Amino acid sequence: NAGVTQTPKFQVLKTGQSMTLQCAQDMNHNSMYWYRQDPGMGLRLIYYSASEGTTDKGEVPNGYNVSRLNKREFSLRLESAAPSQTSVYFCASTVSGRAGTQYFGPGTRLLVL
Amino acid sequence: QKEVEQDPGPLSVPEGAIVSLNCTYSNSAFQYFMWYRQYSRKGPELLMYTYSSGNKEDGRFTAQVDKSSKYISLFIRDSQPSDSATYLCATLEETSGSRLTFGEGTQLTVNP
Repeated sequence: NAGVTQTPKFQVLKTGQSMTLQCAQDMNHNSMYWYRQDPGMGLRLIYYSASEGTTDKGEVPNGYNVSRLNKREFSLRLESAAPSQTSVYFCASTVSGRAGTQYFGPGTRLLVL
Repeated sequence: QKEVEQDPGPLSVPEGAIVSLNCTYSNSAFQYFMWYRQYSRKGPELLMYTYSSGNKEDGRFTAQVDKSSKYISLFIRDSQPSDSATYLCATLEETSGSRLTFGEGTQLTVNP
């Protein structure tokens, strides 16, 4: 039981490049989330998916898109990376109705030059 | 103004000390309160979960919520070097759907 996995662990991009961050969970959770964590700002919600087939914007969605591929997988795409998107990205998941009990992945460190 | 305020520290204490970590929040609609622990270069993990005002104890950890003053606390008794981590408070409004609001996190170091 791997829990929540994220790939890649670390990535360097140039401004304007695109990339997709992958997240998968094997806990049969319905709800999945993408956060970014920055010094002085804490964890901020980018997008979430309450259930398969639905996605909603969080606090900081601009510059990102998401895809809930199936119940297990939730990807985050940066279409044209900007230095302001340099951050640590975390994926999380939980059972529906238990939003307070989220299980986090190990994170992806992204540096945009 | 952030909805959840937390002193980022850093906080450094000797082993065995009692640690007090605190958050304040502004939205009176918040009903659920959590503490997450995050070790360096890892994802956060849920430590404590409370609903409404009062205390909840789990081993060396006690979570306290005072809704009248909008104040959340986490106490760690007999602190250990393995408690060295960043502690994030989080709140949840029932009508928000699935959206947690996190504090910035307090970095704690327990020195042997």
